[in-house]
Amino acid sequence: EVQLVQSGAEVKKPGESLKISCQASGYSFTTYWIGWVRQMPGKGLEWMGIIYPGDSDTRYSPSFQGQVTISADKSISTAYLQLSSLKASDTAMYYCARGTPNYFDPWGQGTLVTVSS
Amino acid sequence: DIQMTQSPSSLSASVGDRVTITCRASQTISGYLNWYQQKPGKAPKLLIYAASTLQSGVPSRFSGSGSGTDFSLTISSLQPEDCASYYCQQSYSTPQTFGQGTKVEIK
Repeated sequence: EVQLVQSGAEVKKPGESLKISCQASGYSFTTYWIGWVRQMPGKGLEWMGIIYPGDSDTRYSPSFQGQVTISADKSISTAYLQLSSLKASDTAMYYCARGTPNYFDPWGQGTLVTVSS
Repeated sequence: DIQMTQSPSSLSASVGDRVTITCRASQTISGYLNWYQQKPGKAPKLLIYAASTLQSGVPSRFSGSGSGTDFSLTISSLQPEDCASYYCQQSYSTPQTFGQGTKVEIK
């Protein structure tokens, strides 16, 4: 079974940094893309970026370029989303998903990030 | 970026009704259009990819159509478990933008 398991919920203070993980299993990690999607409270889905773990080719949405860093560790089949200089507006659910790359399936369970002083 | 516009933003329909959600792209995306279903508190789930291909395991009451800039998702006979938000996504070019979503409720 293809599965993506994300790290647990986080509570951070403004200005702190955070790295969310997404561990893949049930398929060849290096032959599919992994994407990241943000969902702010009560809002829609926002495409943040994708990475191809096979060669670390990474694409970012201009809306998130420079604000986040996407990486992957092939040795442990895990992708990461790093958020730095956190603000209250970074409070959101963050999802990883396997990309074909023409669609996302399946998705991780989501990681809730709360930024509050 | 390619802008994706869904309509309506929300709808309320009765069990058994035929429901259609539309999605319009700001430029042609050929057939690179996907539909996702998201139930409250859950991760999105792929329903349809490449505009009209039903993902394995998805009930046949869901169907998709369209090409170019105009697309639609149809639920032929609305069921209580279809209460969810639905999102279109273009995968023609990065960033692979989503529509703003359509919330479907049961009357």
